[in-house]
Amino acid sequence: DTAVSQTPKYLVTQMGNDKSIKCEQNLGHDTMYWYKQDSKKFLKIMFSYNNKELIINETVPNRFSPKSPDKAHLNLHINSLELGDSAVYFCASSQSWEAEGYGYTFGSGTRLTVV
Amino acid sequence: AQKITQTQPGMFVQEKEAVTLDCTYDTSDPSYGLFWYKQPSSGEMIFLIYQGSYDQQNATEGRYSLNFQKARKSANLVISASQLGDSAMYFCAMRPTGSARQLTFGSGTQLTVLP
Repeated sequence: DTAVSQTPKYLVTQMGNDKSIKCEQNLGHDTMYWYKQDSKKFLKIMFSYNNKELIINETVPNRFSPKSPDKAHLNLHINSLELGDSAVYFCASSQSWEAEGYGYTFGSGTRLTVV
Repeated sequence: AQKITQTQPGMFVQEKEAVTLDCTYDTSDPSYGLFWYKQPSSGEMIFLIYQGSYDQQNATEGRYSLNFQKARKSANLVISASQLGDSAMYFCAMRPTGSARQLTFGSGTQLTVLP
């Protein structure tokens, strides 16, 4: 039973399209995150939600919109896709925003390719 | 803002030997956590080890140990008795306990274990 599951695993789409990536965690964690890993493997936080509330919104184009219908789900919707959006997107969760000593649990990633 | 530096883009080690992966960090937060993650070629992010900034002893988890030198702001990962399956990208990360609590990653070290 996968702890943090992301769908789809691979996404190939044309420029200008709108796409969504879904994420679900069954760990009972309060906090969820979206990270972007670029072609050089650098990981950067995009968004964080704690109990469905947005708490981190890094400098990300507003074409990216996260949505958390409940604390077990955090979806990422991307409008008007651009070539530079090609990357691996990771969803992650942690026990809570305040808890110390706990690593994040990551999903397996979604490789987005914009052509 | 916090910064994580991993100065070794690539490392090689002979099977069964020990290897140290370097990590230095910079933060103004008095309290923080340090983490190491492994990313094999399959892409998933695997949590390895955690060290709290106030922990008196260095963390150990099986063949992984964290050489924490607070005054030098370094948190090196030591892998003992390397195995072929240890070949992967390794990321050092830090999460302060102040208001900016997101996990910030270094640029990673690609470790290759040679038979």
